[in-house]
Amino acid sequence: DAGVTQSPTHLIKTRGQQVTLRCSPKSGHDTVSWYQQALGQGPQFIFQYYEEEERQRGNFPDRFSGHQFPNYSSELNVNALLLGDSALYLCASSLGYRANTGELFFGEGSRLTVL
Amino acid sequence: AQTVTQSQPEMSVQEAETVTLSCTYDTSESDYYLFWYKQPPSRQMILVIRQEAYKQQNATENRFSVNFQKAAKSFSLKISDSQLGDAAMYFCAYRSPPTQGAQKLVFGQGTRLTINP
Repeated sequence: DAGVTQSPTHLIKTRGQQVTLRCSPKSGHDTVSWYQQALGQGPQFIFQYYEEEERQRGNFPDRFSGHQFPNYSSELNVNALLLGDSALYLCASSLGYRANTGELFFGEGSRLTVL
Repeated sequence: AQTVTQSQPEMSVQEAETVTLSCTYDTSESDYYLFWYKQPPSRQMILVIRQEAYKQQNATENRFSVNFQKAAKSFSLKISDSQLGDAAMYFCAYRSPPTQGAQKLVFGQGTRLTINP
């Protein structure tokens, strides 16, 4: 049973560029969340997707956008990259938008470095 | 808005000993979930233990247990018989009740745990 997979694992971009990160949820999961984890900090919630719609958004600018596909996989797009966008981007999946279990399954993340 | 605070940036313990990691949180909600996640160098967040706020009994998972003090808004993690594989960053996290919809987690800043052989 494949867990949450993310790609790429590492990438380097320059300021002003755009980046797309990808996530495949755990088999059977239909809800995907994205988190940004700066070095030495706890993850911060970016947004969550369910039924191909953004359901909740954290305190992130519009430069951060996402998409969920019919197969439940998801993309995170960041435009006009800033140095401060350098971080580990974690994808988490779960079953059911209003599920009671509360458990999220995380991928290993995509490490983005902006120069 | 809910906040989670971990006041111990680093902790260390001898192998086979017991260590307790601290976490406090702030919320006006009466029902919620609390979690401890472990993040080893592989970067993948792994759920260690979960506590539902409506349950008075403290959660236990093998060598891991919590001390949940709802009135004090405290949620500490105790690791017994520490093993080298327990070395990792540990994050305390809060989640609003499922009736609120999205499963957003609010994380603390983390505690880096070192196990000394």
